[in-house]
Amino acid sequence: ETGVTQTPRHLVMGMTNKKSLKCEQHLGHNAMYWYKQSAKKPLELMFVYNFKEQTENNSVPSRFSPECPNSSHLFLHLHTLQPEDSALYLCASSQVTGDVATNEKLFFGSGTQLSVL
Amino acid sequence: DAKTTQPTSMDCAEGRAANLPCNHSTISGNEYVYWYRQIHSQGPQYIIHGLKNKETNEMASLIITEDRKSSTLILPHATLRDTAVYYCIVRVRYNTDKLIFGTGTRLQVFP
Repeated sequence: ETGVTQTPRHLVMGMTNKKSLKCEQHLGHNAMYWYKQSAKKPLELMFVYNFKEQTENNSVPSRFSPECPNSSHLFLHLHTLQPEDSALYLCASSQVTGDVATNEKLFFGSGTQLSVL
Repeated sequence: DAKTTQPTSMDCAEGRAANLPCNHSTISGNEYVYWYRQIHSQGPQYIIHGLKNKETNEMASLIITEDRKSSTLILPHATLRDTAVYYCIVRVRYNTDKLIFGTGTRLQVFP
């Protein structure tokens, strides 16, 4: 148990559906991230939130819409996806302090395995 | 962040030490070496990080060469549960916005 919980664990959706992925962290962290992992490809950073503000959008298509209502919750809203969007979507959190003594490591959830039909 | 090069795959017998190499010849003075691993169908897990010389924790040891152009992650007594993809990442300590993963090394521990 990493302290980062993602739901649902698996999701199958059609190209015209709208769905949302949810991530919750119980670690008191102030930064949250969405990563995408397609089959046989490295993890790709999608979005970064620091203190609820989006600080990174790594050229992600607008059919993916993130939302961070507070520092403990992160959502990824999905609409009109394509089959090539099928992948494992991973959420992570970290504590950004700027303190040299702090290990600024990322804690990942188990991911949502998404299949787009 | 500096680019890293790792072997695609490695095998290790259970109980033996697993030594995973990583080349990072373009590393700059303020960049740290981080290691994560990803067990099948799970999110990556932090293992260890360091700036120079040697670091050790309960999971592993990290040895960085004197010129800092390469490093080795050592799992002293590999178990079957250590079978995973291991990622070596080089990044600036406070650049937490961008943890860039490569393709990693797939370590297979066999009985």
